[in-house]
Amino acid sequence: AQKITQTQPGMFVQEKEAVTLDCTYDTSDPSYGLFWYKQPSSGEMIFLIYQGSYDQQNATEGRYSLNFQKARKSANLVISASQLGDSAMYFCAMREGTGNQFYFGTGTSLTVIP
Amino acid sequence: DGGITQSPKYLFRKEGQNVTLSCEQNLNHDAMYWYRQDPGQGLRLIYYSQIVNDFQKGDIAEGYSVSREKKESFPLTVTSAQKNPTAFYLCASAYTEAFFGQGTRLTVV
Repeated sequence: AQKITQTQPGMFVQEKEAVTLDCTYDTSDPSYGLFWYKQPSSGEMIFLIYQGSYDQQNATEGRYSLNFQKARKSANLVISASQLGDSAMYFCAMREGTGNQFYFGTGTSLTVIP
Repeated sequence: DGGITQSPKYLFRKEGQNVTLSCEQNLNHDAMYWYRQDPGQGLRLIYYSQIVNDFQKGDIAEGYSVSREKKESFPLTVTSAQKNPTAFYLCASAYTEAFFGQGTRLTVV
């Protein structure tokens, strides 16, 4: 089974609107971390936000928030007030507490429309 | 500045040639990783290392080799046994979140 599933290959959003990028995960480890990365066309991977499995509150970093629903095993990224510079690939990732590997999803391509 | 440095940014390899991609970090992280990314695809793990002088194969290790003689350095060699090496290669190190280098674009000519 896939550890990380991103079901949206491509998304479009109007500038200044909010957008939600979906991510579901699969693990039996009670301790894990969830991450979101942005990859612009230049190729670099930029860390956006982190959520630990024991964190009680949803993580937020500026315009990014992580909608963590543990029972549903989902970790959706919400970007508020979209900007043209948000156009990029977005990857969800997980790291289990018992291991060192990061598992990445296949990514979602986000296009912000002026 | 703390970070991950990959070099070169672009690399061209002739058929049958071995090439080495450099990855250096000054973040004092124990864990380091190499990923391969093909156009329009996600990241696939080649090798990772949790400590000096120790490393583990990832999902696509065939045709690649690594060494970890120093904590700061984790070079990747793409050998002639790798039949389709043209790709974008990313190195990362981690404590909690992974920090990535700028990547190396390898092309076979």
